[in-house]
Amino acid sequence: SQKIEQNSEALNIQEGKTATLTCNYTNYSPAYLQWYRQDPGRGPVFLLLIRENEKEKRKERLKVTFDTTLKQSLFHITASQPADSATYLCALQNYGGSQGNLIFGKGTKLSVKP
Amino acid sequence: DAGITQSPRHKVTETGTPVTLRCHQTENHRYMYWYRQDPGHGLRLIHYSYGVKDTDKGEVSDGYSVSRSKTEDFLLTLESATSSQTSVYFCAISDPRIYEQYFGPGTRLTVT
Repeated sequence: SQKIEQNSEALNIQEGKTATLTCNYTNYSPAYLQWYRQDPGRGPVFLLLIRENEKEKRKERLKVTFDTTLKQSLFHITASQPADSATYLCALQNYGGSQGNLIFGKGTKLSVKP
Repeated sequence: DAGITQSPRHKVTETGTPVTLRCHQTENHRYMYWYRQDPGHGLRLIHYSYGVKDTDKGEVSDGYSVSRSKTEDFLLTLESATSSQTSVYFCAISDPRIYEQYFGPGTRLTVT
């Protein structure tokens, strides 16, 4: 069966450390993968997109990697801050699917403690 | 949430009543989507639209219909609401030239 899994429901880290979130998928062939941030009571906000032929993407303190052999994307937040506390969602666009027909993981709730 | 509004933001309704949720955008984006978000399931696509009067079903479309008569408006209708449709509903938009989606603030619907 097809699955997209974010390995941790919750992740607690200390301020200043690097947070690493994992997204694994099974029986999909992603054309690209996206990461979103969601705060309580709000809609998701787009952070980064990485295509299947890209290994790594960076944006300020954020870094995403994509390994199609391992069928995995890693999302890193360096020098984490309490303001980074939120739920982070990964989503993939499968080859052959209609553009924008994203499949979302259930999310990882990140808590950054001062 | 800029450029996307959803109405109502909260609604309580009774089983069997019809409900219509509205999504309005000012970005002139071609694609619009309706999702529902439930604990333990994450975001799931209900219906989407790739242009005026062009719509298609998503993963969880049973019990829902949509209409799009103008670029800026995408309506989601529950013909006869059931308790299983209690959820938070999000509208999203995107442009075919880019791939990221922009989400509205959500509508919390409770069916009693």
